[in-house]
Amino acid sequence: DSGVTQTPKHLITATGQRVTLRCSPRSGDLSVYWYQQSLDQGLQFLIQYYNGEERAKGNILERFSAQQFPDLHSELNLSSLELGDSALYFCASSVIAGGPYNEQFFGPGTRLTVL
Amino acid sequence: GENVEQHPSTLSVQEGDSAVIKCTYSDSASNYFPWYKQELGKGPQLIIDIRSNVGEKKDQRIAVTLNKTAKHFSLHITETQPEDSAVYFCAASKGQAGTALIFGKGTTLSVSS
Repeated sequence: DSGVTQTPKHLITATGQRVTLRCSPRSGDLSVYWYQQSLDQGLQFLIQYYNGEERAKGNILERFSAQQFPDLHSELNLSSLELGDSALYFCASSVIAGGPYNEQFFGPGTRLTVL
Repeated sequence: GENVEQHPSTLSVQEGDSAVIKCTYSDSASNYFPWYKQELGKGPQLIIDIRSNVGEKKDQRIAVTLNKTAKHFSLHITETQPEDSAVYFCAASKGQAGTALIFGKGTTLSVSS
């Protein structure tokens, strides 16, 4: 158990809908990362937040957005869903204590199925 | 941007044999290289990592080597056991606080008893 929690575990929805995925980082971790895992694209970085502020963006679609709240939990919002958005969505967290290292610990993921 | 290539995509070994998975990276500025193990239905689990100021690191049956000149790094698992069966991912990042991990496509390791 990494200490990172994600809810829900599974989500089934229809095209055009909007969903919210939730992540709580490990105790003491200030940074949260979102990754998408699909069969054809592998594990791809979407976005990172550090202490409430957006820090880096990867291959995140404009239909997707995220935020990190004062209690450090994060939410990933996916809107106007398409069949191709079906994937596993992982949250990871890391401690940023001023050093150059970047150990990231992953949650169990949310499996999104768009029908 | 950074690109990480991982080989082989599948690897089958007998229990007790060694397994080696290799990765190459493109960005010479990358300096942090973790390896993750993902079991079915679970999230990736960090099993070992190496920084660019180190050539080799060992943790029990697992070792990782790094060749900065050739820009490649490898995972070595000795005395494999059936519970080592999983998908293994290599990754690279520039290691600065907050840099995203760029992952290889994964290697499915099967250990038969």
